[in-house]
Formats: sequence, structure tokens, C-alpha cells
Amino acid sequence: DIQMTQSPSVLSASVGDRVTLSCKASQNINKNLDWYQQKLGEAPKLLIYFTNNLQTGIPSRFSGSGSGTDYTLTISSLQPEDVATYYCYQYNSGLTFGSGTKLEIK
Amino acid sequence: EVQLVESGEGLVQPGSSMKLSCVASGFTFSNYGMNWIRQAPKKGLEWIALIYYDSSSKYYADSVKGRFTISRDNSKNTLYLEMNSLRSEDTAMYYCAKFSYGYPHFDYWGQGVMVTVSS
Repeated sequence: DIQMTQSPSVLSASVGDRVTLSCKASQNINKNLDWYQQKLGEAPKLLIYFTNNLQTGIPSRFSGSGSGTDYTLTISSLQPEDVATYYCYQYNSGLTFGSGTKLEIK
Repeated sequence: EVQLVESGEGLVQPGSSMKLSCVASGFTFSNYGMNWIRQAPKKGLEWIALIYYDSSSKYYADSVKGRFTISRDNSKNTLYLEMNSLRSEDTAMYYCAKFSYGYPHFDYWGQGVMVTVSS
């Protein structure tokens, strides 16, 4: 089974900061990776699919990159409404979520 | 507008059974793979079951294999999860989630239902 490790587990940043969240797979997942945002008390929402494709309706401050085993979600200018937990998810082999990064405002 | 509405929430004793439903609207249900994903309290997301659009294939996480059964009724636009031999570790919010067309992205999610397994 492919394991997905997200870091950091908690990230505190200021409004306007550029924020980078990391996700590392236990083996090559060939860019078969999505990012989901889950706000408190809500269902998750698809942000990015196939590593770097922005889902319809998602603000352009969100972007994704990566290859092989290492992937990144970047928020170019952090907004208060971005407070949430972010999960990576691979579907190269099986279906596996990472453990999440909780993003807070400093 | 795509909507997924789960039902069947409740408190049950260990070893018992429970069935969840998810009614879909706003899209052609019979064209899409559907999933159940759960989240234990204050924990992360765990995919647990997938059913193809025509019920031809079903897949399960090891944690529920042999105890849970996913099914669907395309005439009723409804997804089901039959859960047997429930354990305390099955306590979680259960979400149904739709795959995008042809790809395993969860593009729409229901609001979730809480299942609590406790004596």
C-alpha cells in the first residue's frame, strides 16, 4: 500500500503570506494526486486534480506542483477564508489520503 | 446543482448492523462511480468503498472488507452502505462522494452522517 505523509501537521501563517504544504508518497505516484480542503464542520472540497489542475471555481491563488514522490500545494497569498485542513490523495495504486495539514492564521 | 444527501445516522452497539443511504440529484447518477469515505472524530479521511457506475465492480479498504457492502440502485439514484459486525473503531462521519467522469477525483461530497458504535 502507498503511504502519504503530509508536512507540517500544523502550519501557522499570516494573512498575505505565501504558504507551501508538502505531501510525500512512499513510492512514485506518477502525478496521480489531488488536494482537498476541509473547513471545520464541512465536507471536503476538491481543489487541485492531477497534481496541478485547478478545479472549477477555486481561486487562482491555489496551485499545485510535483512529480515522482514529492508534491506541493501553494497558496500565493493567504486569506482568512483559507483556514482549513488540507489533504493530499493518491490514486496511482489504491486510493489513499494523507494525514492532513491544519492551516491556521497567525 | 449536484446534491448528495446521506441518511441513516445513529448510535448502535458493537456487533450490530446499520445501513446508510445516499440520494443523488443534479446529475445522471447511473454514469458515475460512487464512493464511501469516512472520518473518525478529529482524524483524517479514509476511503472505504467504491462501486462502478453499473455495479460491475466493487472495491473495499482492508479495514472494512468482509463486513461492509456497497451497493446502488440506479433507478432510485441511491447509493447504499450496509455495515455489519460494527466495531468501536467504525465510529466516524460517513460521506458519500461522486467520482468525476472517467477519473478517480472526488468532485462532489455529501454533508456526511455520523455513525457511533458504543455500548
